[in-house]
Amino acid sequence: AQTVTQSQPEMSVQEAETVTLSCTYDTSESDYYLFWYKQPPSRQMILVIRQEAYKQQNATENRFSVNFQKAAKSFSLKISDSQLGDAAMYFCAYRHKTGANNLFFGTGTRLTVIP
Amino acid sequence: DGGITQSPKYLFRKEGQNVTLSCEQNLNHDAMYWYRQDPGQGLRLIYYSQIVNDFQKGDIAEGYSVSREKKESFPLTVTSAQKNPTAFYLCATRTGELHHGGTEAFFGQGTRLTVV
Repeated sequence: AQTVTQSQPEMSVQEAETVTLSCTYDTSESDYYLFWYKQPPSRQMILVIRQEAYKQQNATENRFSVNFQKAAKSFSLKISDSQLGDAAMYFCAYRHKTGANNLFFGTGTRLTVIP
Repeated sequence: DGGITQSPKYLFRKEGQNVTLSCEQNLNHDAMYWYRQDPGQGLRLIYYSQIVNDFQKGDIAEGYSVSREKKESFPLTVTSAQKNPTAFYLCATRTGELHHGGTEAFFGQGTRLTVV
């Protein structure tokens, strides 16, 4: 199984500030997908952002952006202008491009937003 | 509305009993997955199915069984052989590769199973 590591069990950020969540992964593949999912208290998993490994450009979705370092196998999530609604568990996930196509998840980072 | 429906939201099971968790989708997605979520461990794959009448074991399939008789439905049975079934269970679906690159997984709202 692939390994996805999130080394920050908990993080906090002041409202309107910027925070970066870290993720590293292990793979021998050259093409794959990476994702960040958000899980609020409702426990619904919500896709935040995705990155295709063959694309050099970092993905961006409004206030959310990633720093994808393929050689270092690093995939961090930056949340700008943090809002109270951003408070949640954040999971980094990896998927092969072929085969079963299931997701391999990290253990999550709990983000607290301080008003 | 299009989406994934998991039921029930909460389920209590006595030791030694089998229980079945429902997952229904009207997204016309080919692939369906069952994940288990435990505190501090992220999500782990139990079973998956990429087509009707076919399914494969994931990383933690022992004590679980599934069926895929219809494209829309992928029920998960937690059997008495599962030694520690108390957890949060999430069902997910995904399109095939030919549709929008098949990149994104959609999740249901989950079922919380507790053994009493």
